[in-house]
Order: sequence, then structure tokens, then C-alpha cells
Amino acid sequence: AQTVTQSQPEMSVQEAETVTLSCTYDTSENNYYLFWYKQPPSRQMILVIRQEAYKQQNATENRFSVNFQKAAKSFSLKISDSQLGDTAMYFCACMEYGNKLVFGAGTILRVKS
Amino acid sequence: DTAVSQTPKYLVTQMGNDKSIKCEQNLGHDTMYWYKQDSKKFLKIMFSYNNKELIINETVPNRFSPKSPDKAHLNLHINSLELGDSAVYFCASSQDPGQEAYEQYFGPGTRLTVT
Repeated sequence: AQTVTQSQPEMSVQEAETVTLSCTYDTSENNYYLFWYKQPPSRQMILVIRQEAYKQQNATENRFSVNFQKAAKSFSLKISDSQLGDTAMYFCACMEYGNKLVFGAGTILRVKS
Repeated sequence: DTAVSQTPKYLVTQMGNDKSIKCEQNLGHDTMYWYKQDSKKFLKIMFSYNNKELIINETVPNRFSPKSPDKAHLNLHINSLELGDSAVYFCASSQDPGQEAYEQYFGPGTRLTVT
């Protein structure tokens, strides 16, 4: 069974700085997908970035990038030039082939001005 | 245009009642899901339907019954509500997972409070 672990319950960062959120996972599959979702106070779940396990290149979406270490089963999210609107709960999630999303416990990120 | 909508957004009810939450998606997706987010913000899948067929059924009490009248709708009916059912329930949809894992689009959530 998949498990996803986020070891940082809360983090804070100054506006315009860079922050990295950690995530480790466990799966017995070779084909799987990893996601970071953002949940702002509005509670809407918003996809931030996704990574296919078969791709070696780390995914990037504007200010968001990941460090995917397949052997270590690590999938961290880096947010550059943090903005106040980045304040939210961030969930790491793993999906095996054609299956359900398994979420980590989440990390609350506070961006301070 | 709302992609995945849920009604109601807030639901307050008493223990023992029966209630339903409706979900509709206008994305043309084949697969729909229900997730539960508890008071500690932990998100867990409950059910998944693909083309009106139940695909995933996690360990959920029988009091919870999903119903999919067509592939654009997946409703959640809860019988004999208990205090522990208080949570935010999210509906989501995606293209048919098949050989690929597609992004799941989430609805706005329904906050259910059982008193």
C-alpha cells in the first residue's frame, strides 16, 4: 500500500524568499505519479505540480519546482520568490497506476510580509 | 463556468438524520471520486466511480452510499448520521485513469457538521 509522509507540520517564509517542503513516499509499484496540491483558506484543492515517476527530469511550473529523488523516494517542493498568496496548506500525494490519490498529512505554509 | 460543483457547501444536521451531498462535473470526465477531510485536515479517498461503475470502495461504513445516475454526477448519501461524520467532503473528477494518471479536479467541498 502507498504511504506518503510530510514531516513538517508547519513552515514559514519571508515574502520573496525560497522555501522547500519535504515529502517522502512508499510504493511497491514502478509506475506511479506524484503531485503537490495547495489548499488555501478557501479550502479549494488546487494542483500545483505533478511528476511522472518514469521521467527523470524534475517538473517545473513557474515559481514551483520539485526535487524528485526516485531511489530515496523523496519528492520535495521548492517555492521561489514566495508570495503572500502562497499561504496555504500543501499536500503531497501519490497515485499508482490508474488508482486513487493517497495524501500526506499536509504542511501549513505561512508567507510573512 | 464551474468545473466540479457540489451542493450544499455547508450542511448542519442532527445525529440520526439522513442527508445527501450532490456533485456534478461539466468536464466530460469518466471518473469521479469522493474524499473525506477530517478535522486534522487529513484527506482520504472514500469511493471512485468510472462510467457509473464503482471502482474503488475504501473501508467506509455501509451508512455511506454513493450513487451515480450518469457519468457527470456522483452523489453521496449518508444514513443515520453520527458525530464522527463531521468533516469536509470533496468530490473530484478526472479522465479515465487507464494507462495514465490524470489530474483530479476537485469541487469546493461540503462542510458537514453533525450535532
